[in-house]
Amino acid sequence: AQSVTQLDSHVSVSEGTPVLLRCNYSSSYSPSLFWYVQHPNKGLQLLLKYTSAATLVKGINGFEAEFKKSETSFHLTKPSAHMSDAAEYFCVVSAPINFGNEKLTFGTGTRLTIIP
Amino acid sequence: DAGITQSPRHKVTETGTPVTLRCHQTENHRYMYWYRQDPGHGLRLIHYSYGVKDTDKGEVSDGYSVSRSKTEDFLLTLESATSSQTSVYFCAIATEVTGELFFGEGSRLTVL
Repeated sequence: AQSVTQLDSHVSVSEGTPVLLRCNYSSSYSPSLFWYVQHPNKGLQLLLKYTSAATLVKGINGFEAEFKKSETSFHLTKPSAHMSDAAEYFCVVSAPINFGNEKLTFGTGTRLTIIP
Repeated sequence: DAGITQSPRHKVTETGTPVTLRCHQTENHRYMYWYRQDPGHGLRLIHYSYGVKDTDKGEVSDGYSVSRSKTEDFLLTLESATSSQTSVYFCAIATEVTGELFFGEGSRLTVL
C-alpha cells in the first residue's frame, strides 16, 4: 500500500522569497516520487522526479526536492519565488510501473499564491 | 509535448445522456489512464489500460466504462451521465520504467 500527504492545501509567499511545499509519503516499495505543476485551465506538467538515484533532485524553473527516506518526505523548494510560479502543485508516489498502475497515488494538491 | 490529444475539450450535456471522451496518443505507450479532477480531491483514477483490449478499474470507476481497440486511442464512456460526473477529465500516458506520467490538456464536462 502507499499514500501521499501534502501538508498544506494553500501556501502564500511574497515574490522573491523562498518557497517550501511539503510532501510526506508512505510506500511498501522503493518508490518513485514526482512533483507536478498545474497552471489554471491546463494539464499537469512534470516538475521533477526521484527514481532512486541522487536524493537531491533538480527540476525545471529553479525548483528542487530532496528525498529523505528517514523522514519519508519529498519537499519541494525554490530559493526565490516568481509571479509565474503561482499554480497548483501535486506530489505523486509511484511503485515501478510493472507492479501495476494502481500504485500511482496523487496528493490532494497545494495551491501556491505569490504576493507581489 | 507528449503527443496526447483529448476531445472534446469542453462539453455540456444533460442528465441521462451518453457521453464519450477520446484520448489519442502518438507515443505508442502501453499504459494509458483516465483521471478526474475535483476540488479537494486531487486527481482520482477512473480506469486504466495496459494494452489493446486490456483495461482495469481505478478507484472511482462506477458509472464509467472504457475501451481500447488500438494502441493510440483510449475512450472513456459515461453510459448515462449524472450531475456528480461534472468534472475535468484528464488522460495520461506513462513511461514503463519510472511510471512518469504525461497529461493531456483536459476535458471539462458539465452535466446539467
